[in-house]
Amino acid sequence: EAGVAQSPRYKIIEKRQSVAFWCNPISGHATLYWYQQILGQGPKLLIQFQNNGVVDDSQLPKDRFSAERLKGVDSTLKIQPAKLEDSAVYLCASSPPGDANYGYTFGSGTRLTVV
Amino acid sequence: GDSVTQMEGPVTLSEEAFLTINCTYTATGYPSLFWYVQYPGEGLQLLLKATKADDKGSNKGFEATYRKETTSFHLEKGSVQVSDSAVYFCALFNAGNNRKLIWGLGTSLAVNP
Repeated sequence: EAGVAQSPRYKIIEKRQSVAFWCNPISGHATLYWYQQILGQGPKLLIQFQNNGVVDDSQLPKDRFSAERLKGVDSTLKIQPAKLEDSAVYLCASSPPGDANYGYTFGSGTRLTVV
Repeated sequence: GDSVTQMEGPVTLSEEAFLTINCTYTATGYPSLFWYVQYPGEGLQLLLKATKADDKGSNKGFEATYRKETTSFHLEKGSVQVSDSAVYFCALFNAGNNRKLIWGLGTSLAVNP
């Protein structure tokens, strides 16, 4: 089974620039999550999709962050404009439908550095 | 609401020492419990899981038992290796809570040769 694919692996941008991250979940996984993990901290949920609908975006800074999941498969997370405090690893994860409690499968993440 | 508490790090051990990382939880219903590991510079990987009381999850020499009576899911390994140096996260998955993972803050483990 192929894992969760993310790109790019690394990104360095200047503050006030924009950036986009891409995620392709495991085939058949209806739920997709974007997390932000700042160095030395646990992951923080930014947004959760169920198919192509948003379930939870309560911690997404909507003035600068946006995300979409077209056709319920791939997803893109965008930051515009970036701030220094956005430097973090952005993790995408997916989980299968149903109540099987399989847990999440994470991608390798995108390490963003804002300078 | 649901929550996970894990012991603070960093934990520093010598190779072949016994490891315990404590994790306790608060949750409604019957959550599943997980340990994730994050090696330096890498993403999160599922280490082991348990989906009901008294289940024991195990992988790569690590074990954890789902104890409902003490609401605990402590991670143990009998003999750690340098390659086990990583950050370990305890997490709770409650299907009745919008399928969210609730995370502990992570425990950093350093194993010295």
